Amino acid sequence: GAVVSQHPSWVICKSGTSVKIECRSLDFQATTMFWYRQFPKQSLMLMATSNEGSKATYEQGVEKDKFLINHASLTLSTLTVTSAHPEDSSFYICSARVRDPEAFFGQGTRLTVV
Amino acid sequence: GQNIDQPTEMTATEGAIVQINCTYQTSGFNGLFWYQQHAGEAPTFLSYNVLDGLEEKGRFSSFLSRSKGYSYLLLKELQMKDSASYLCAAMDSNYQLIWGAGTKLIIKP
Repeated sequence: GAVVSQHPSWVICKSGTSVKIECRSLDFQATTMFWYRQFPKQSLMLMATSNEGSKATYEQGVEKDKFLINHASLTLSTLTVTSAHPEDSSFYICSARVRDPEAFFGQGTRLTVV
Repeated sequence: GQNIDQPTEMTATEGAIVQINCTYQTSGFNGLFWYQQHAGEAPTFLSYNVLDGLEEKGRFSSFLSRSKGYSYLLLKELQMKDSASYLCAAMDSNYQLIWGAGTKLIIKP
């Protein structure tokens, strides 16, 4: 199957700093990527849909100024958590759709804000 | 509204068979997915059903009944490595995935 690489796998940052998470499609071009957040023992929650060359579409309740998404190329989407706070600590996962309907996931990034 | 229901946790014995059920309600329907997720890892794709019936893939099989809004994942010959969460997700008319909370499967020797 298609490979989606997400980096870093885990990160610890201080409260108030920003963290960037990268999501790359290694062997295909992804016009659409999805960013999820998953709290312990909870389901995946879609944060935003990222389309190459255009602004991301955010789900209700997700602050677009706090979670900046950039999809500048067909193989790279980034999520920047700005001014991170401890409540932002979570597991962040990206996925890309190669062809409808199957989606492939990155390895996930565990963010801990201290 | 859109909703996915699946049991929170199940326990089974190594070598046995277990069936994980999932019911869904979505605005339109473009298929039902099952994913496996080990703790601390991203989900991995197991199966996709869009037509009624049973799809078999090795030790794993998935069933769909569109009229009943129901699916199940069947795991045979359980192995300890099958201990994981199993996520059911339905794709709605906008091709968005609606996720269940996952079923944590515990395998005992």
